[in-house]
Amino acid sequence: QSVLSQPPSVSGAPGQRVTISCTGSSSNIGAGYDVHWYQQLPGTAPRLLIYGKSHRPSGVPDRFSGSKSGTSASLAITGLQAEDEAEYYCQSYDSSLSGYYVFGTGTKVTVL
Amino acid sequence: QVQLVQSGGEVKKPGASVRVSCKTSGYTFTDYGITWVRQAPGQRLEWMAWISAYNGDTKSAHHLQARVSLTTDTSTNTAFMDLRGLRSDDSAIYYCARAPTLGDAGHFDPWGQGTPVTVSS
Repeated sequence: QSVLSQPPSVSGAPGQRVTISCTGSSSNIGAGYDVHWYQQLPGTAPRLLIYGKSHRPSGVPDRFSGSKSGTSASLAITGLQAEDEAEYYCQSYDSSLSGYYVFGTGTKVTVL
Repeated sequence: QVQLVQSGGEVKKPGASVRVSCKTSGYTFTDYGITWVRQAPGQRLEWMAWISAYNGDTKSAHHLQARVSLTTDTSTNTAFMDLRGLRSDDSAIYYCARAPTLGDAGHFDPWGQGTPVTVSS
């Protein structure tokens, strides 16, 4: 079963904009399935950050946004803040085999 | 508010089985599914399996399907994950999360607090 590919780490100074890529294949992102994003702070459970076409659950700042094109998706964080330092995962659905959910490899965001 | 509360940590010997429970509240249990995700120390999230609380349909990751079983109890709005034949590389934090009803495209929200499972002789 496949895994979505993410860069291991990205970093930026406070106030900057950073983006995290999530690359899949023709059986998941490229097949049109939505990409969702989760934030995991150290020692805590993941929390939903972005779902579907850049929808944010209640409480998630509008500094976070998502986009998708072809077999890839991206998470953008604008106005980076110290509390954004965390691990970020993308997630989608894959239609191969009998269908299954797939996560990205994870990206650590460091605020310099 | 919607909450998922998981059972406490477990320590098991290789070859044993473990059951993790996930008690839900704040929503209509049978309107959604429950998915299970695990995270080994320092590693990424790994999707394990999904169950529909509506009709009991399940999906699981290919490499786990022989060892994992999912059930639900609609009288207590609780989901259960059983993992058999434990190995040391099954040591991880196990999370449940509310998931789509039909096991198709969708997201997971909210998540339980996680249940650490340690497999050691």
